[in-house]
Amino acid sequence: GDSVTQMEGPVTLSEEAFLTINCTYTATGYPSLFWYVQYPGEGLQLLLKATKADDKGSNKGFEATYRKETTSFHLEKGSVQVSDSAVYFCALSDQEGGGNKLTFGTGTQLKVEL
Amino acid sequence: DSGVTQTPKHLITATGQRVTLRCSPRSGDLSVYWYQQSLDQGLQFLIQYYNGEERAKGNILERFSAQQFPDLHSELNLSSLELGDSALYFCASSRNRREGNYGYTFGSGTRLTVV
Repeated sequence: GDSVTQMEGPVTLSEEAFLTINCTYTATGYPSLFWYVQYPGEGLQLLLKATKADDKGSNKGFEATYRKETTSFHLEKGSVQVSDSAVYFCALSDQEGGGNKLTFGTGTQLKVEL
Repeated sequence: DSGVTQTPKHLITATGQRVTLRCSPRSGDLSVYWYQQSLDQGLQFLIQYYNGEERAKGNILERFSAQQFPDLHSELNLSSLELGDSALYFCASSRNRREGNYGYTFGSGTRLTVV
């Protein structure tokens, strides 16, 4: 079945550092890809998405490009802030069986320090 | 506020008991999804309903069941509870099945603690 693999955390960075969180996937067909963010004590919020190969999703300074050739969707941000501290989940849509569930990676915790 | 409402926010119950978690989807959304988030299993898809009908089933135990009512709210029933059922249970919704391809909106979750 479909699966998502993302780098383990926690990732600890200083404020204004460059962020990369790696995500690779295995899927049949052409799934849509997502990054969700979960702040402490809250639900998941959609951060960005890409629905086809070479699409770039972006939001709040975060970017990720759908790379079909490498089956990857790495999350990047040029300059992180303390407020970006959260858990980040990579996910893909799976339309098998007529539904469209999301399959999530295990999450990567990001800690940004002053 | 995401527009997806889950109640209760916290629930503490004993092993062997039965509980019902409730979800009201965002206005206009027809699809409802249930997920379980635990430390050891991560985010696991349980079940999806679309306009009252079951559409997809994931790793949902036989002790668990769900339904979506005509007003589109959904309930997740967990019975014969075990310590290992302690987790965060999230509900999410999307306007339709196709829109689910563009991501869906999550509620803030129900934290279930089984003691």
